[in-house]
Amino acid sequence: NAGVTQTPKFQVLKTGQSMTLQCAQDMNHNSMYWYRQDPGMGLRLIYYSASEGTTDKGEVPNGYNVSRLNKREFSLRLESAAPSQTSVYFCASSLRATQETQYFGPGTRLLVL
Amino acid sequence: RKEVEQDPGPFNVPEGATVAFNCTYSNSASQSFFWYRQDCRKEPKLLMSVYSSGNEDGRFTAQLNRASQYISLLIRDSKLSDSATYLCVVNPSDPGTASKLTFGTGTRLQVTL
Repeated sequence: NAGVTQTPKFQVLKTGQSMTLQCAQDMNHNSMYWYRQDPGMGLRLIYYSASEGTTDKGEVPNGYNVSRLNKREFSLRLESAAPSQTSVYFCASSLRATQETQYFGPGTRLLVL
Repeated sequence: RKEVEQDPGPFNVPEGATVAFNCTYSNSASQSFFWYRQDCRKEPKLLMSVYSSGNEDGRFTAQLNRASQYISLLIRDSKLSDSATYLCVVNPSDPGTASKLTFGTGTRLQVTL
C-alpha cells in the first residue's frame, strides 16, 4: 500500500495563477484533510471531508477550494495564488472523522512569487 | 494565547541522555492528546497517544495533567535516530464529532554523539 500520496512534490507559481494539488489514499479511509504548515505556525487545517460527498471549512479556508472526487481522492485548488499561500501543504486521511489517528502524505512545497 | 504551546528548542542532547518535552493547551474541554514526530522535510507521523493514566512505549513515556493542562513526553536512552521535531497535538472536538486536530509548532530534538 502506498498510503497517502500527493502530487506535485514541488511547484512554483506566479501571483494570480491557479493550480490544483492532488491527494489520494489507498487505505479505504472515509475522512480526508488538507493542512498547511508554515514556520512558527504549526499545521493548520484548511478543509476537511468527513466522508465522501461532504466537505467543511477548517481554520484557514480563505483562498482555497476543495473537491472530494471519490472516496480515494481529495483535491485542493488555489484559484488565484498569492504570496501568502507559499507554504508546505499536507494531505491526511483517517478511518473515520471521529478517529483521530491521521496518516499524512509526503507534502507539496509551494512557492508563490 | 496559542491553543497548543511548545518550547521550540532545539534541545541538543548526547546519545544515551534522557530528555523531556512539555506542552500546554488552552482548551480545558480537549478530549484527546497525541505526540507526532516529524523528520526534517517529511510528513508528521503518529508517535503515540497520551492517556490520562500515562503510557509508555519502549523508551518513550507520555503523561497528561488535565488539571494543569499540560502534556509531557520523556525519551530515555536517546538515539541518534530520535533527532526530529516532536509535535504536540490536541483534539478539542466534542466526542462523536469530526476531529479537528490542533498542532503545536513542535520541539526540535538533536541527539549528538
